[in-house]
Formats: sequence, C-alpha cells, structure tokens
Amino acid sequence: NAGVTQTPKFQVLKTGQSMTLQCAQDMNHEYMSWYRQDPGMGLRLIHYSVGAGITDQGEVPNGYNVSRSTTEDFPLRLLSAAPSQTSVYFCASGRPTLGYTFGSGTRLTVV
Amino acid sequence: AQSVTQLDSHVSVSEGTPVLLRCNYSSSYSPSLFWYVQHPNKGLQLLLKYTSAATLVKGINGFEAEFKKSETSFHLTKPSAHMSDAAEYFCVVTPPRSSARQLTFGSGTQLTVLP
Repeated sequence: NAGVTQTPKFQVLKTGQSMTLQCAQDMNHEYMSWYRQDPGMGLRLIHYSVGAGITDQGEVPNGYNVSRSTTEDFPLRLLSAAPSQTSVYFCASGRPTLGYTFGSGTRLTVV
Repeated sequence: AQSVTQLDSHVSVSEGTPVLLRCNYSSSYSPSLFWYVQHPNKGLQLLLKYTSAATLVKGINGFEAEFKKSETSFHLTKPSAHMSDAAEYFCVVTPPRSSARQLTFGSGTQLTVLP
C-alpha cells in the first residue's frame, strides 16, 4: 500500500542514548517533514526537506538531525536523548497546499 | 505571519446529532486550510482542504467545511455524528505556494460521541 512508513512504532531510550527514527514514502513526494506531538500543543515542526539533499529547520530543531539522501527516505536522528524528547513523532510527505500523508507515528519515551 | 485557533478543546455530541468544530485563522495572505483527523494511536488523516476554489468544501465521511473570509473562519460540520467519528481533529493553515515551514497546526479538538 502506498503511504508513509515509520519505524519503530515504540521505543524506550535512556538519557544520553542516540537513535534514528526511520521514515520512508513511496509516493515520490518532494516534501517530507518530521513533527512531534505533545498533549495540548498540536504538532510542531522539527525539520523538513523539499527534496533530496535539501533540509531545513522547523520550529523545534534542537537535539535532532536529519538528512535526505534519496527522495524516499528521511531519517530523524536523536543525538543524545533527553526526557524532554519524550513524545510521539510523526513523519509526513506531500505538498503543503495539497495536503500531507502522515505515518502512523513513533511513540518515544526517554527515561 | 499566520495562526490558527480551535475554539473548543473538547466537544461532546450524541450519536445522530450534528457536529460543529470551530476554527478561526489569521493570515497575511489568502491561505490554504485543512482539517485532519487523528484516531487514537493513529497518524493524521486528511479530511478536507480549501485551496481558493469553492468556499464550501466536502470531505470524507460526510464532513464539510465552509471558508468564510469575512469571519476568518473554517468551521467543520457533519449533519449526523457516528460513533466512529470520535477522534481528535486539527485545523491547519498555510499560505499559498508555501514551504513546509509555514504549515501551522491548531491545538486540536477532541470529539466525543455519546451513544
């Protein structure tokens, strides 16, 4: 099925550990984004990409890195996990004026 | 600059009665507007979008929304609620020809449907 695939679905990290959240889409979308969702705050943009080799920061980029080597993949790296990064993370692809397709999310807990 | 305000954090309706979820926006341009739905432990699904064509927009699952420029509103409605409509709904605004950076989400409205 066409769409956005995120892995893993759940993850528990210890403070200071690093990890990569994976995101892949098969719709040949140029735009891809990472959001975090926290209670009462809607979704906040972490990083986004408008094409392979092009990335930029969103509203809350600190503590996260991204890269976009292919159109299909847009991984999000946590460099040194902190409890404040406990959240649900969503990857999305599409076009801002036409609508995004979202992945099913990664629920991350940092202890 | 742009912003979006969802006027109700929680809405509760009985099954079979109308649904109204309110959204006001602020934008320096003619915006594009969206409603997304999120069921528990799921990703967000696009319900409908307004991109400067017809002001009354029909979406999936019987939902529709009307763009009212004079009121800067984009309220979501459904004539008859179903139990499966229980979810969180997000209003989203973006200027035309925008980059992903300019997609702004409301804080969400939790819809409860009572039997």
